[in-house]
Amino acid sequence: DAGVIQSPRHEVTEMGQEVTLRCKPISGHNSLFWYRQTMMRGLELLIYFNNNVPIDDSGMPEDRFSAKMPNASFSTLKIQPSEPRDSAVYFCASSADSYEQYFGPGTRLTVT
Amino acid sequence: GDSVTQMEGPVTLSEEAFLTINCTYTATGYPSLFWYVQYPGEGLQLLLKATKADDKGSNKGFEATYRKETTSFHLEKGSVQVSDSAVYFCALSDRGYGNKLVFGAGTILRVKS
Repeated sequence: DAGVIQSPRHEVTEMGQEVTLRCKPISGHNSLFWYRQTMMRGLELLIYFNNNVPIDDSGMPEDRFSAKMPNASFSTLKIQPSEPRDSAVYFCASSADSYEQYFGPGTRLTVT
Repeated sequence: GDSVTQMEGPVTLSEEAFLTINCTYTATGYPSLFWYVQYPGEGLQLLLKATKADDKGSNKGFEATYRKETTSFHLEKGSVQVSDSAVYFCALSDRGYGNKLVFGAGTILRVKS
């Protein structure tokens, strides 16, 4: 099993640019989670999907952030326009209803 | 709402020392409890879990017991190694919130040889 796959692993972009982060969950898992990790705020849940449907997006910081899950094997997190305060490590995790979440390696985003 | 409180770090120990990382929680229902570990540059990995009161989760020499009376789930290891240096997160999942996890702030563990 390849585990949760995230791309890119590192992203450096300029303020105002659009950023798209990608995630492929573990096959057969029906829940997908997007987290953001910073030194200041720790690990924050941004949004999660169950069976491709967004269940709770209360953690999405503002309208600049959007997430989609068009099918069971792919999800995106988009930031438009990006700002320096969005710099963080973004994790995707998936779960098969067992409450055990499997995390990807993360995408380190730097916005200059 | 549900919350998890962990002891602040960093915790610095010598190799073969005894480890305790405290974790307490508040929840409205009957949560499952977890410890996750994050090694440098990696995502979080499940270390152990307990799904009901008095359950003991264990893995790789680490243990934690679900104590409902004290709402605690402290992580322990009898003899730490340098390779245990990582960030440890306590978390809970309350069925009333689907399978969303609520994480503590994390505790940095540094083990010196």
